[in-house]
Amino acid sequence: AQSVTQPDIHITVSEGASLELRCNYSYGATPYLFWYVQSPGQGLQLLLKYFSGDTLVQGIKGFEAEFKRSQSSFNLRKPSVHWSDAAEYFCAVGINQFYFGTGTSLTVIP
Amino acid sequence: DADVTQTPRNRITKTGKRIMLECSQTKGHDRMYWYRQDPGLGLQLIYYSFDVKDINKGEISDGYSVSRQAQAKFSLSLESAIPNQTALYFCATSGGGGGTYNEQFFGPGTRLTVL
Repeated sequence: AQSVTQPDIHITVSEGASLELRCNYSYGATPYLFWYVQSPGQGLQLLLKYFSGDTLVQGIKGFEAEFKRSQSSFNLRKPSVHWSDAAEYFCAVGINQFYFGTGTSLTVIP
Repeated sequence: DADVTQTPRNRITKTGKRIMLECSQTKGHDRMYWYRQDPGLGLQLIYYSFDVKDINKGEISDGYSVSRQAQAKFSLSLESAIPNQTALYFCATSGGGGGTYNEQFFGPGTRLTVL
């Protein structure tokens, strides 16, 4: 069965610190992989995606993610977090039909 | 103007009532999706449509129905609303061919409360 696990429900980091959000998945084949961000009261915005090729992908707002096939992981990273990055982050995987993780809520301390 | 719009943005209804949530898009995409979001559960796919004549059930379609009236319009209906259908509902679209068929664009959401 297909599933997406985001093991960290909530993360708190200081502004300027680095960030890594974890995502592991179970899928029959190698799916397309996505990270979305949701600010309070807003819809989801695509941060980055992996379809094929280079396993380190760059996204908007200074985010990057690395696909590791052997670990079925697609972790999101940012070298230096800004207060405006506080939001809910969702990992999603799939081909034509998509499965989302339960999300990681990020708090940024000034 | 927003590319993916949802109406209404907020709706309060009573148990047993029929309601319809509407989604329109100006992106020219073929594919449209309906999701619900519950706190702590992420997004779950209700229905999806790859073109006007194609409708598919998602993970949690029971209690819901959909209509694809045109390429740009995809409506979600709750025939007889119940309180556990209280949630935030999102419409999404994708298109463009190749791998970009899998890149989704989301509407702003409809907050539905069933009393």
